Amino acid sequence: SAVISQKPSRDICQRGTSLTIQCQVDSQVTMMFWYRQQPGQSLTLIATANQGSEATYESGFVIDKFPISRPNLTFSTLTVSNMSPEDSSIYLCSVRGAKNIQYFGAGTRLSVL
Amino acid sequence: AQSVAQPEDQVNVAEGNPLTVKCTYSVSGNPYLFWYVQYPNRGLQFLLKYITGDNLVKGSYGFEAEFNKSQTSFHLKKPSALVSDSALYFCAVRAQRDDKIIFGKGTRLHILP
Repeated sequence: SAVISQKPSRDICQRGTSLTIQCQVDSQVTMMFWYRQQPGQSLTLIATANQGSEATYESGFVIDKFPISRPNLTFSTLTVSNMSPEDSSIYLCSVRGAKNIQYFGAGTRLSVL
Repeated sequence: AQSVAQPEDQVNVAEGNPLTVKCTYSVSGNPYLFWYVQYPNRGLQFLLKYITGDNLVKGSYGFEAEFNKSQTSFHLKKPSALVSDSALYFCAVRAQRDDKIIFGKGTRLHILP
């Protein structure tokens, strides 16, 4: 299995600021994913991030709002830009490991005031 | 388009009784099916998957799930529930030719002592 570390685990931010979330994996993986889980809801895929290429964003998510970096096979960052209270969510990093199993980090719990 | 339905928002079961959490799916082609569990303030933990082969798959913590192609279902089951099984359970599907996993809205399982 893959072990995923996410930082920070939680944060409280002011409207209009930006937060960068880091995701570190203990093994090299090709595919990394970023999800959002709004309070009481399911997971929604934000984007797929493959090393060496631009991230692929899902409908409703844009690069200007959620820029993603993927500098190597074990690390990625997601930035939530120009935050508003509607961005308050749990943000989850995920990777595809062996046997088609997808693993998740513990998440970053973001509150925007 | 892929979709997953979990018809029950909440399931209540007495400790020691069998439990079932329902899931139906829609996908083009053959599906990869997954169950994940989320405990409070934690990320998602993988429980089990169906890729191919036997329709009954066994996973972690005594859980199992049955793939039924004709009914497009993948219900999660456990013969004897424990209070510690109380959590939020997500069913997920991925088309074999797709990279994205789509999650159901989740079912909250309450095991009553």
